[in-house]
Amino acid sequence: AQSVSQHNHHVILSEAASLELGCNYSYGGTVNLFWYVQYPGQHLQLLLKYFSGDPLVKGIKGFEAEFIKSKFSFNLRKPSVQWSDTAEYFCAVNLNTGFQKLVFGTGTRLLVSP
Amino acid sequence: GAGVSQTPSNKVTEKGKYVELRCDPISGHTALYWYRQSLGQGPEFLIYFQGTGAADDSGLPNDRFFAVRPEGSVSTLKIQRTERGDSAVYLCASSSTGGTGELFFGEGSRLTVL
Repeated sequence: AQSVSQHNHHVILSEAASLELGCNYSYGGTVNLFWYVQYPGQHLQLLLKYFSGDPLVKGIKGFEAEFIKSKFSFNLRKPSVQWSDTAEYFCAVNLNTGFQKLVFGTGTRLLVSP
Repeated sequence: GAGVSQTPSNKVTEKGKYVELRCDPISGHTALYWYRQSLGQGPEFLIYFQGTGAADDSGLPNDRFFAVRPEGSVSTLKIQRTERGDSAVYLCASSSTGGTGELFFGEGSRLTVL
């Protein structure tokens, strides 16, 4: 079955540190890729998405992600994190079914200390 | 409000009882999704509605789970003979289109089965 792996379950960083969260998926066909974020006490919201074209995509709040097809990866990055980035981050894959039947990873909890 | 609304936000019930969870999507959104998020996991797809019809219900775990969207707006997820394993956060999301539209999630209904 298709799956999404997020290897870092908990990450603790100081403000201004750089962030990279790993995401790998197991599916050989065409995929659409997403990162969703859930801030404490809030609903899931879209951070960024990749459908096609430039494999380096930029999202909100200074986040970016790079799709590397050969590695089946879609890692999330931010050069300098802020305390307000404390949240849970989910990578998700859509198998291009024509609607948003997403397969999510287990999530990474990021804690940024001020 | 402008977002996806889910009620109740919390529901505690006893094993064997019947439960209904309601989702009010963003006005005008034709696509509606139910996902389930168990503790320590990412959301898992349950069912997708396009308009009034369930276009894909392959994620429903068994026949105790059923969902309706009779007028193409509000949706109700119904769980019969609840079991302790049904305890989870049930997420509703809506989208203006089927394939590439951003999913807008509600805050979820937390179901606890004692």
